[in-house]
Amino acid sequence: GQNIDQPTEMTATEGAIVQINCTYQTSGFNGLFWYQQHAGEAPTFLSYNVLDGLEEKGRFSSFLSRSKGYSYLLLKELQMKDSASYLCAVRAAGYSTLTFGKGTMLLVSP
Amino acid sequence: SAVISQKPSRDICQRGTSLTIQCQVDSQVTMMFWYRQQPGQSLTLIATANQGSEATYESGFVIDKFPISRPNLTFSTLTVSNMSPEDSSIYLCSVELSFETQYFGPGTRLLVL
Repeated sequence: GQNIDQPTEMTATEGAIVQINCTYQTSGFNGLFWYQQHAGEAPTFLSYNVLDGLEEKGRFSSFLSRSKGYSYLLLKELQMKDSASYLCAVRAAGYSTLTFGKGTMLLVSP
Repeated sequence: SAVISQKPSRDICQRGTSLTIQCQVDSQVTMMFWYRQQPGQSLTLIATANQGSEATYESGFVIDKFPISRPNLTFSTLTVSNMSPEDSSIYLCSVELSFETQYFGPGTRLLVL
């Protein structure tokens, strides 16, 4: 089975940087995904990591350490519209299906 | 990316009835999935919709309750059968466009009274 942990809630101020952590335990690993979900909307794909290291995409970056079972999503220059839930999902080896964490609700304040 | 649509976008149903949700993609995809997101919760995978064969269900989900069709590579349906208030949820289809990307449809918001 798989176990995925994320903080439940985080708060940050506009213009700041925030790091959302995700730890996972899986019998085999085949990629980690980050999604953003605004209230009442479907999840939006943000990033995919399968190799160790940092992947940068504009204001958002995602990091993976397979040996530590650890990932983080880094959001820079926070904007009010970044207030959303951020979901970490892991794909096990040999499968296409994803297992999602419970999500981290980020609140960005002025 | 791909354009994924779902019908209906929302519905209110009476207990004991069934609802069929449609998912349409604007390109052919091999892998399509159905998820449920209960209020305030994260996403739970219901099943993988396999083209030309029976769907693969996750633990806790059965074909009698959630029959799935996948007649071709751009379309799938999920039926929620014999509904109860506990089935009130958002139902989402997702597609694997490549090994590195999985996208979600807009979701179907279901309320069972």
